[in-house]
Amino acid sequence: EVQLVESGGGLVQPGRSLKLSCVASGFTFNNYWMTWIRQAPGKGLEWVASITNTGGSTYYPDSVKGRFTISRDNAKSTLYLQMNSLRSEDTATYYCTRVDGGFAYWGQGTLVTVSS
Amino acid sequence: DIVMTQTPSSQAVSAGEKVTMSCKSSQSLLYNENKKNYLAWYQQKPGQSPKLLIYWASTRESGVPDRFIGSGSGTDFTLTISSVQAEDLAVYYCQQYYNFPLTFGSGTKLEIK
Repeated sequence: EVQLVESGGGLVQPGRSLKLSCVASGFTFNNYWMTWIRQAPGKGLEWVASITNTGGSTYYPDSVKGRFTISRDNAKSTLYLQMNSLRSEDTATYYCTRVDGGFAYWGQGTLVTVSS
Repeated sequence: DIVMTQTPSSQAVSAGEKVTMSCKSSQSLLYNENKKNYLAWYQQKPGQSPKLLIYWASTRESGVPDRFIGSGSGTDFTLTISSVQAEDLAVYYCQQYYNFPLTFGSGTKLEIK
């Protein structure tokens, strides 16, 4: 059974950093691209970052480019999201997803709240 | 960026009724080399993570009931629920994966009368 389990969320002050993790199981992690998607409270879905299966290429929207870094450790079947210079508008539930034709597998999400 | 426009924003139907919702993209999602439309539909029930229903615009994900039907090509897409059930109460999102940045529609909220 495919499982994605996120962790690392919490309350953080504006301008500070936070690192999210997602541990994958039930599939061969290094065969798949992975993606982070977020959802602000009561709002829709927003793509945050994607990474190729080898980690050789990464992709970001302008809203997080230069502040967020997606990475992975294939030996540990773990996906990361390093978030720097956090802003109030980054407050959201962050989901780890596996890239198939669309996103077939999602974690339960981890809530990040950026507030002073 | 490809803009995804979903209509209506909300819809209330009775159980057993047929419902359709629309998703339009600002540019074609049809990749000519493989004739595939890079469009997915998701269902998000209250308090849950999104669930993939449809990919390649019309391919139903494994385990998804056959009352969920995706159709369309190019820039115009439709999700049809042939006979709505009470458990279909959710927000439905479309998403393009034709190119980066990946983008979602703003969702259609389905309410059951």
